[in-house]
Amino acid sequence: GDSVTQMEGPVTLSEEAFLTINCTYTATGYPSLFWYVQYPGEGLQLLLKATKADDKGSNKGFEATYRKETTSFHLEKGSVQVSDSAVYFCALSDRVSGTYKYIFGTGTRLKVLA
Amino acid sequence: DTGVSQDPRHKITKRGQNVTFRCDPISEHNRLYWYRQTLGQGPEFLTYFQNEAQLEKSRLLSDRFSAERPKGSFSTLEIQRTEQGDSAMYLCASTRQGENTEAFFGQGTRLTVV
Repeated sequence: GDSVTQMEGPVTLSEEAFLTINCTYTATGYPSLFWYVQYPGEGLQLLLKATKADDKGSNKGFEATYRKETTSFHLEKGSVQVSDSAVYFCALSDRVSGTYKYIFGTGTRLKVLA
Repeated sequence: DTGVSQDPRHKITKRGQNVTFRCDPISEHNRLYWYRQTLGQGPEFLTYFQNEAQLEKSRLLSDRFSAERPKGSFSTLEIQRTEQGDSAMYLCASTRQGENTEAFFGQGTRLTVV
């Protein structure tokens, strides 16, 4: 079945460092890909998405490119801030047996130090 | 647009009691999902509604769990005879019709079974 694998955390970085969080997926169909972010005590918020191969999603300085050939959707940011500290979830949506399901990775906790 | 609303935010119950959670989706969204999230894990799919029809239930959802969406608007998730293993965050999400759409999440109901 469909699945999402993302790098384990926690990831600890200094402010202004470069961030990469790896995500790979397995899907039977042609999924859409998402990154969600969960700040402490809050629900999941959509960070960015990409719906077809070679699409680049971007938001708030974060970027991710849909790579069909490597089945990957890695999250990057050039310069992280303390306020980026949160848990990041990679997810896909795919139509399986007629149902659109959203499948999530286990999450990667990011801690940014001032 | 007030977003997805869940009630209550927190619930503490004794083992063996029944609990019911409510989710109010974004008004024009006809798809509604329930997920469960435990500490350090990503959201796990429980069940899915399109309008009032429950189209899929996860194998994770034992017979003690039931969900309804009687008029295709709000939804309830009931857990009967709660067990300590039911302690988790229960998340509701909604999406509009169509492919490649993102899911919008509520802030969740945190259940603690003592």
